[in-house]
Amino acid sequence: SQTIHQWPATLVQPVGSPLSLECTVEGTSNPNLYWYRQAAGRGLQLLFYSVGIGQISSEVPQNLSASRPQDRQFILSSKKLLLSDSGFYLCAWSTYEKLFFGSGTQLSVL
Amino acid sequence: ELKVEQNPLFLSMQEGKNYTIYCNYSTTSDRLYWYRQDPGKSLESLFVLLSNGAVKQEGRLMASLDTKARLSTLHITAAVHDLSATYFCAGPLYAGGTSYGKLTFGQGTILTVHP
Repeated sequence: SQTIHQWPATLVQPVGSPLSLECTVEGTSNPNLYWYRQAAGRGLQLLFYSVGIGQISSEVPQNLSASRPQDRQFILSSKKLLLSDSGFYLCAWSTYEKLFFGSGTQLSVL
Repeated sequence: ELKVEQNPLFLSMQEGKNYTIYCNYSTTSDRLYWYRQDPGKSLESLFVLLSNGAVKQEGRLMASLDTKARLSTLHITAAVHDLSATYFCAGPLYAGGTSYGKLTFGQGTILTVHP
């Protein structure tokens, strides 16, 4: 069966520091991968998606970037965090019918 | 680009009562999703509705899709405390396409079931 791993679970970072969140998927090959952000416990917003190694599409302009160095690995990064980057970040992968989410990272930028 | 609106945004229910959460969306879509989120947790998929008239039920929850009215509903029957959570509906961000995980979400409905 397929599983998605995301870490860390919580992260507190100062403004201006770098960020790296990692996500890996097991049990499937060449998955479509996604990064979503949830601000203040309400609706999710799609940030990035990837259909293959090195293929990244950004949905909204922002202070963040994404990379996919391996087939089942998806990384969310920032060189300098802003206060507005705080939120709950969720990695996900999709089949034809469903979108499956990882456990999420709660990021607080102080 | 699809827009999704849920109502109500807050719902306080007594145990044993029935209620419906509504999800309206802005443009033609042939699929609609419902998710549940517990505080501090990730999203759990509840229902995937893939055609007009689709109806799915799981326990005390039943979801339906009317693509002509651009409306999906999540009906709660005889609510129990364990159903307290935030419920989201979501639809494809763009019509057509092959990336099925590109979704736009409603604002969520915070459901509280009390004795």
